Amino acid sequence: RKEVEQDPGPFNVPEGATVAFNCTYSNSASQSFFWYRQDCRKEPKLLMSVYSSGNEDGRFTAQLNRASQYISLLIRDSKLSDSATYLCVVIDYYNNAGNMLTFGGGTRLMVKP
Amino acid sequence: DADVTQTPRNRITKTGKRIMLECSQTKGHDRMYWYRQDPGLGLRLIYYSFDVKDINKGEISDGYSVSRQAQAKFSLSLESAIPNQTALYFCATSDAGTAYGYTFGSGTRLTVV
Repeated sequence: RKEVEQDPGPFNVPEGATVAFNCTYSNSASQSFFWYRQDCRKEPKLLMSVYSSGNEDGRFTAQLNRASQYISLLIRDSKLSDSATYLCVVIDYYNNAGNMLTFGGGTRLMVKP
Repeated sequence: DADVTQTPRNRITKTGKRIMLECSQTKGHDRMYWYRQDPGLGLRLIYYSFDVKDINKGEISDGYSVSRQAQAKFSLSLESAIPNQTALYFCATSDAGTAYGYTFGSGTRLTVV
């Protein structure tokens, strides 16, 4: 079983739509959570951190449910420029390597005119 | 200049050849990483180094080796390339003190024929 699982998509949505991505993680001791954005054939870039209380950054809202080991990303009013792959990332502190990133497989979003 | 520079950007090589991918950084970070990305599998950790004298295997180290020549340089070698090592390879750096400060290189697209 993968440590971080995501629906690969693709999610095809029209401009202006609201779309939500989910992610589950298997290590209950995981402490930090992030969403990264990756454009085609480019490096991943940090989109936002995910806090227990939920957090919002413009059109983007991230939620964390520790009890269900579940993370979500909501994008409102989708833009063409939101088309990308969204990677769910978990950091585990409780291993010998310290702060290490574990990536989900990514969810591809395609926003159409 | 980019904070994390990978060379080459693209490479096609034959089965059985030795190939080296290079990574250099100007971030001043102690920690450096090599990841591999295959479609739908996210990024998987190959090797990581927390300082010049520290080398550690990641999730998928078989068939790879690394060298940390200096704080700023971390190279990845495929001693005898095979077709299933065809992938997108990313180098990353991070500051030991923070979980958020990862910087990725632009990636090396390697094709083994």
